[in-house]
Amino acid sequence: GENVEQHPSTLSVQEGDSAVIKCTYSDSASNYFPWYKQELGKRPQLIIDIRSNVGEKKDQRIAVTLNKTAKHFSLHITETQPEDSAVYFCAASPADGGATNKLIFGTGTLLAVQP
Amino acid sequence: GAVVSQHPSWVICKSGTSVKIECRSLDFQATTMFWYRQFPKQSLMLMATSNEGSKATYEQGVEKDKFLINHASLTLSTLTVTSAHPEDSSFYICSASRQGGNQPQHFGDGTRLSIL
Repeated sequence: GENVEQHPSTLSVQEGDSAVIKCTYSDSASNYFPWYKQELGKRPQLIIDIRSNVGEKKDQRIAVTLNKTAKHFSLHITETQPEDSAVYFCAASPADGGATNKLIFGTGTLLAVQP
Repeated sequence: GAVVSQHPSWVICKSGTSVKIECRSLDFQATTMFWYRQFPKQSLMLMATSNEGSKATYEQGVEKDKFLINHASLTLSTLTVTSAHPEDSSFYICSASRQGGNQPQHFGDGTRLSIL
């Protein structure tokens, strides 16, 4: 089955710097990759997603890149702000879960933006 | 759109009690809902996929008789933790997605369950 690895587990940056979180997946047939942000004690919220027919997607300060050949995708946050501090999870939709929208989540990255 | 409501948000009860958690999609129809368990500082562990009108699909290692799932309508799924014990204490969170492939999951606020 699908396996998703996420790095780093913790990331500390200065306000205004960029942050990059990377994930790899094992199922080459996976074709949907969302990113979620979870603040302490709250629900995960979808911040951006990408499908396998594109290589990059951007939404203001957030961008995601996908390399299908290498089976990895990354989240890029530019001009970080203290309110970006949270745990970020990547996920991949395995081939057998496409119809049900099942997701396999990475282990999470705790991002701390220092003011 | 895509609001998911989960209730209750907190439960504290004695060992041996059964606890029911509800997950509702408020503004869309969810043919599929998912139930996760999350331990402190850890990832979301998928417990089961709940399909409207049919039996849930449980992940390996999850006891279906312990965690009963019912998805009676397109907007409601329930998880019942039967005869809960302290080791069942955790953060349980549901999500729902619209019909169709590669749709995002939208999460509820979660339920923090504490078994004394």
